[in-house]
Amino acid sequence: DTGVSQDPRHKITKRGQNVTFRCDPISEHNRLYWYRQTLGQGPEFLTYFQNEAQLEKSRLLSDRFSAERPKGSFSTLEIQRTEQGDSAMYLCASSLVSLSGETQYFGPGTRLLVL
Amino acid sequence: AQSVTQLGSHVSVSEGALVLLRCNYSSSVPPYLFWYVQYPNQGLQLLLKYTSAATLVKGINGFEAEFKKSETSFHLTKPSAHMSDAAEYFCAVSRGSSNTGKLIFGQGTTLQVKP
Repeated sequence: DTGVSQDPRHKITKRGQNVTFRCDPISEHNRLYWYRQTLGQGPEFLTYFQNEAQLEKSRLLSDRFSAERPKGSFSTLEIQRTEQGDSAMYLCASSLVSLSGETQYFGPGTRLLVL
Repeated sequence: AQSVTQLGSHVSVSEGALVLLRCNYSSSVPPYLFWYVQYPNQGLQLLLKYTSAATLVKGINGFEAEFKKSETSFHLTKPSAHMSDAAEYFCAVSRGSSNTGKLIFGQGTTLQVKP
């Protein structure tokens, strides 16, 4: 399978704990995006990387959230001191930017439940 | 600022009937427009995209969408609904590869297909 993969698929944690999610993009895709989707809503942009550089962060991304893409390949999203409001589906997408444009391909998501 | 409005959070059709899911956008620059489908507990799958090459865009699974600049619309249609089309559909807009490619999503439309 050469699509976007995410790990874990499901995570249950207690309030105050730290969690880390991983995203493996499609090989050779230079952009990687993180989105958050709450129940009944469309995905909301969190942040994105062009290769290893983090180029934009949404105001939704509080200080408790940090994302990395150390070698321009996989990415991690860490949430520190989780709160119940962090419960959501976290989606990763990757794309290859070219002269003809860009199409984002999404992974299956990581569903987080904070108790 | 860009935005997307999907008219109708729930649409119900009979199997074999026409599917019409409505999307209106707002953008200060020529937009790139997308339709994605999401099945329960899964990520988003690209149905089709508009990048200014042609106003009528054909996608996968028999879906198509027409870009109408005068109406700022990008409605999704399918001539004959199939039971497997039941899912959540999202319309999204981006500024394209010349700028950040982050997607702005609508609230989504749940399509129910009755036998």
